[in-house]
Amino acid sequence: DAGVIQSPRHEVTEMGQEVTLRCKPISGHDYLFWYRQTMMRGLELLIYFNNNVPIDDSGMPEDRFSAKMPNASFSTLKIQPSEPRDSAVYFCASSFGRVVLTFGAGSRLTVL
Amino acid sequence: DAKTTQPPSMDCAEGRAANLPCNHSTISGNEYVYWYRQIHSQGPQYIIHGLKNNETNEMASLIITEDRKSSTLILPHATLRDTAVYYCIVKGSGGGSNYKLTFGKGTLLTVNP
Repeated sequence: DAGVIQSPRHEVTEMGQEVTLRCKPISGHDYLFWYRQTMMRGLELLIYFNNNVPIDDSGMPEDRFSAKMPNASFSTLKIQPSEPRDSAVYFCASSFGRVVLTFGAGSRLTVL
Repeated sequence: DAKTTQPPSMDCAEGRAANLPCNHSTISGNEYVYWYRQIHSQGPQYIIHGLKNNETNEMASLIITEDRKSSTLILPHATLRDTAVYYCIVKGSGGGSNYKLTFGKGTLLTVNP
């Protein structure tokens, strides 16, 4: 298995632009998680899905952030409009049942 | 979920055992201890988990005290590639809306040549 695949690996954009981050979880996994990591706040859970249904989005910072999982093999995290404080590394992770997550390599976002 | 306390940093000589402590004095009976690590510029990686018995896998050993209030992750022969931030997390096994894994600040382990 190729593991959890995230794209893009690096994104540089200007304030106000829309950003879409993508994730392909491991086949057969039924949970998908989006995390954000910054130096100041560490790793923060933004949202997670179970069987494509959002279960807890209490970590989503504000309405500018949205996440979807249209099917078991694809999820997106969208930021619209983006702001400099959104600059971070965004990780997607998936798991089957137990709390043993497999993380992707991350998407490093820089908002100028 | 129970709170965990880890030293912010540790050093270890290459080839020696690295023993990373974690305190979780408020752990409850159904909560597991999980260890993850994050090598620089990579996503976190699962290492091992346990409930009350000691556990060993190809990566590490996990020693949990009898009262379960603390644990130690042991890397038996540390290599330079083991330099990473190590996270100790306590989490119940239940699912549903409480299915969250919360990462603290962890311990930065530096393996020196």
